[in-house]
Amino acid sequence: QVQLVQSGSELKKPGASVKISCKASGYGFSYYAVNWVRQAPGQGLEWMGWINTNTGNPTYAQGFTGRFVFSLDTSVNTAYLQISSLKAEDTAMYYCARKLGLFDYWGQGTLVTVSS
Amino acid sequence: SSELTQDPAVSVALGQIVRITCQGDNLRTYYASWYQQKPGQAPVLVIYGKNLRPSGIPDRFSGSSSGNTASLTITGAQAEDEADYYCNSRDNSDNHYVFGTGTKVTVL
Repeated sequence: QVQLVQSGSELKKPGASVKISCKASGYGFSYYAVNWVRQAPGQGLEWMGWINTNTGNPTYAQGFTGRFVFSLDTSVNTAYLQISSLKAEDTAMYYCARKLGLFDYWGQGTLVTVSS
Repeated sequence: SSELTQDPAVSVALGQIVRITCQGDNLRTYYASWYQQKPGQAPVLVIYGKNLRPSGIPDRFSGSSSGNTASLTITGAQAEDEADYYCNSRDNSDNHYVFGTGTKVTVL
């Protein structure tokens, strides 16, 4: 069955970096883009962008350029989200989601907490 | 970039009908998809395309669209339908996507 399994919760200090993984299984990894979605505490869903799993080409939404990097390791069917220079406002749940026109499968989410 | 606007909250009596709307200019070009999110859980796709349901989604969920407005209707709301609902669609200007502001549905 299709699964997207994300890495566990992270507690980081301001200024640090974090790298979240999203391991896909149960389908052809290269057939679906991987998208990233942020949800701050008590807030709505915010589309961050996506990565083409064929070419590795990332597309970033406005507000997610510079400190946010999407990457892949196709040998292990895994997508990554790296956030650098973490700020308190980066505290959020981060989801990966498979997309082919719509987000039909989601990871369970990774909670990133940024606190000194 | 486009915006998708939803009412913040709606309530519905058990077994009654509730319609959730999503407004945005890009909806004149692209269909919306709809996602249900319960507390502490990842979103779940409930409607996509013209009016399509993924396997396992009850047929009390339906979708429609007119002009710049997409709608999700729950016909015969159940207690388990109490959740946040988000629309999503492609942005008009580029290969980006946008989520609606979300609607909290309370079943009374």
